[in-house]
Amino acid sequence: DTEVTQTPKHLVMGMTNKKSLKCEQHMGHRAMYWYKQKAKKPPELMFVYSYEKLSINESVPSRFSPECPNSSLLNLHLHALQPEDSALYLCASSQERDLNYGYTFGSGTRLTVV
Amino acid sequence: GQNIDQPTEMTATEGAIVQINCTYQTSGFNGLFWYQQHAGEAPTFLSYNVLDGLEEKGRFSSFLSRSKGYSYLLLKELQMKDSASYLCAVRDTGGFKTIFGAGTRLFVKA
Repeated sequence: DTEVTQTPKHLVMGMTNKKSLKCEQHMGHRAMYWYKQKAKKPPELMFVYSYEKLSINESVPSRFSPECPNSSLLNLHLHALQPEDSALYLCASSQERDLNYGYTFGSGTRLTVV
Repeated sequence: GQNIDQPTEMTATEGAIVQINCTYQTSGFNGLFWYQQHAGEAPTFLSYNVLDGLEEKGRFSSFLSRSKGYSYLLLKELQMKDSASYLCAVRDTGGFKTIFGAGTRLFVKA
């Protein structure tokens, strides 16, 4: 298995809703990432987990809450989002030391906040 | 601070060769990636350079000069399917922080 699987692919939520994005990989990668990408912009790093521990939080608002239940799963819990949070949310994983294969990205969740 | 510069757009002809440049100024350096991203899709990994020199992978080659803060991606025998955005990304030292440049949109015409 050489994929990162993200669900759902599309999500529309209201500003008072609570929802979660899910990411799963079975490549044995011990580093997992959340990126946010707006149209025609590069991906922006949000969070990094290494060995299931949060190692980087790029000053992301608390309405985004990451969780790493085990080495294969990464969640992003969403609460009280704003319309400007509408974007493509990408999950990625990598080996911690060997970067010759880069990051493997999931196909993303396209989020619309109404 | 962190700064990664790439041209915004490039146009090339099918069958030709194109070079996409990337310059960077970052607080730390632990390697440079190139990714391809088609519209509405996730980025896919093309290459990784951590030492100076040229890395070749089929039709794609990537070059790095750490002293100049410079890299390029060379695409040979261009095909229509190579029309995409090409993202240069630099990984920081001491952690897992990889910062992406704004990307170069490549248009391949017949």
